[in-house]
Amino acid sequence: SQQGEEDPQALSIQEGENATMNCSYKTSINNLQWYRQNSGRGLVHLILIRSNEREKHSGRLRVTLDTSKKSSSLLITASRAADTASYFCATSTYGQNFVFGPGTRLSVLP
Amino acid sequence: DGGITQSPKYLFRKEGQNVTLSCEQNLNHDAMYWYRQDPGQGLRLIYYSQIVNDFQKGDIAEGYSVSREKKESFPLTVTSAQKNPTAFYLCASSIGTPDFYEQYFGPGTRLTVT
Repeated sequence: SQQGEEDPQALSIQEGENATMNCSYKTSINNLQWYRQNSGRGLVHLILIRSNEREKHSGRLRVTLDTSKKSSSLLITASRAADTASYFCATSTYGQNFVFGPGTRLSVLP
Repeated sequence: DGGITQSPKYLFRKEGQNVTLSCEQNLNHDAMYWYRQDPGQGLRLIYYSQIVNDFQKGDIAEGYSVSREKKESFPLTVTSAQKNPTAFYLCASSIGTPDFYEQYFGPGTRLTVT
């Protein structure tokens, strides 16, 4: 299985702090994607990082990918209350569908 | 506005009844997907379709059926054969396969069967 597994399961921080969550997977991948889900809503795509890339940025988001360790991290800098959500990594290999991990629940306290 | 719509947002059914969840997209995407999400868990793939009039089973297809008669529509029927149908159902679409493209999600339908 190439299942992504996020860590930690839950994270609680103060507004303005940075939040880091990790994703580990088991087999080789083509790309890894991070999604956000607000409570009771659909998922929103954040970043796609390909297997030949090591780091990508989008606004306050920074994603790294270490294929030798089969892991990725999502860093949210200067967090805001609006960042409170669940964050999922989804891995994919050639011709295969996504496998989503169980997610990290982030709470940003004002 | 371009996007994916799912209706209804909440759905209640009695055990033993079939129910159909609607999913429509106006993004002109070829691929469409149905996922199931249980509390505190990730998404599991039920069915997917890469092209009109063709669809494939995902990881948990038993007790579900789909059709793809139009590019923009991919309805999901939860049949009475599904043993534990109460869940949050998410529809998604994509330009192409997940190994290259991101997926766009609808707002979801929460199905409760009693």
